[in-house]
Amino acid sequence: DAGITQSPRHKVTETGTPVTLRCHQTENHRYMYWYRQDPGHGLRLIHYSYGVKDTDKGEVSDGYSVSRSKTEDFLLTLESATSSQTSVYFCAISGEGGSGNTIYFGEGSWLTVV
Amino acid sequence: AQSVAQPEDQVNVAEGNPLTVKCTYSVSGNPYLFWYVQYPNRGLQFLLKYITGDNLVKGSYGFEAEFNKSQTSFHLKKPSALVSDSALYFCAVRDGNTDKLIFGTGTRLQVFP
Repeated sequence: DAGITQSPRHKVTETGTPVTLRCHQTENHRYMYWYRQDPGHGLRLIHYSYGVKDTDKGEVSDGYSVSRSKTEDFLLTLESATSSQTSVYFCAISGEGGSGNTIYFGEGSWLTVV
Repeated sequence: AQSVAQPEDQVNVAEGNPLTVKCTYSVSGNPYLFWYVQYPNRGLQFLLKYITGDNLVKGSYGFEAEFNKSQTSFHLKKPSALVSDSALYFCAVRDGNTDKLIFGTGTRLQVFP
């Protein structure tokens, strides 16, 4: 296993409430990513980070924000959850070495917005 | 913009037969190509990758993939399928100019006894 812990693993929340998902890594890797997985769409990149306080948007960043104040933690926040954000969220990490570096995934966080 | 296509939603194969899961890609720079496997309710597990060099890449669990630059393809193969290979398979591409890994929509592999 790649030393990635996601929390919470399962969450049910109400529409309009804020939600924060946490990704913690023990590998000291520079790059961290948040993806969401939905049937028919595969995995889509939400945001990623290339260092502490350095983040950038992915394909589906609307409605999401991220923060990275420490190398080991990458937080994904849904400011006001909507039903369309019901999904499985995966954190991933990658070390130095350029674009050929492998990205390793956590076990996922199942989020249901009711 | 980079993109990945997996043209088959599902592939069915009998145990012991060879299997192929197809993937084509589009990038503006040099492609870095990956295959991942996902079992139910689990995260993605890395199988293999192509960076440069030999067009035939060998990976975990007996899987291999062939990089074809002219056809912009990176098909996943295995000479003899096992029932335990049944899972969801994702192809992904990383453009050499970015840090982003972009995934295809996935192909469900069903291996029948």
